Amino acid sequence: QSALTQPPSASGTPGQRVTISCSGSRYNIGNNYVDWYQQFPGTAPKLLIYNNDRRPSGVPDRFSASKSGTSASLVISGLQSEDEADYYCSAWDDSLNGQEVFGGGTKLTVL
Amino acid sequence: QVQLVQSGAEVGEPGASVTVSCKASGFPFTGYYIHWVRQAPGQGLEWMGWINPNTGGKNFAQRFHGKVTVTRDTSISTAYLELHRLTFDDTAFYYCARRRSYGGADPFDFWGPGTLVTVSS
Repeated sequence: QSALTQPPSASGTPGQRVTISCSGSRYNIGNNYVDWYQQFPGTAPKLLIYNNDRRPSGVPDRFSASKSGTSASLVISGLQSEDEADYYCSAWDDSLNGQEVFGGGTKLTVL
Repeated sequence: QVQLVQSGAEVGEPGASVTVSCKASGFPFTGYYIHWVRQAPGQGLEWMGWINPNTGGKNFAQRFHGKVTVTRDTSISTAYLELHRLTFDDTAFYYCARRRSYGGADPFDFWGPGTLVTVSS
């Protein structure tokens, strides 16, 4: 069972807006930055969003994210077929001597 | 350009040990922490721990204490993850990833391609 809770799946049609949620606790999301990673089958995760809402260079601006309290959200606006992938949220957790925790991942399907 | 090159797939028997390497290039090896993350087939990501290549300091999630040994060789910019007393549950992809700190303030901004470790009798 993951420390951060994500829906196992999400879907949308091209052009739609899709939101993926990530819920945690005061020890992780409530007290630290949230990052989001995108992973295509057979490849390593790639940084998509960092420090709650910042996009690395090269990430399309249709990807955005936010954090409020102990929850965070990733929003994909103008969904494209190439966005079909697994998405993971993560945050540092201050309990248990400090550790990184991940959500269980959300498989995004573009219909 | 930034690269983290990992060693090839490994197969180990239950009870044996295997070592995965992660060679860094394109950035100062001692300027970043190297973290290890594993992913069982079809499952999510699980953080294992980190090593500071500059000092050799390290920390791992409680569940991996005694299970893994991490080392580094700064002369060849390489970090190593050794897995001990393999069990079938250790079958997974093992990723190294770089990070500016041990955690909290910045992300895993670059990942290695992963090394598949298969435990099989």
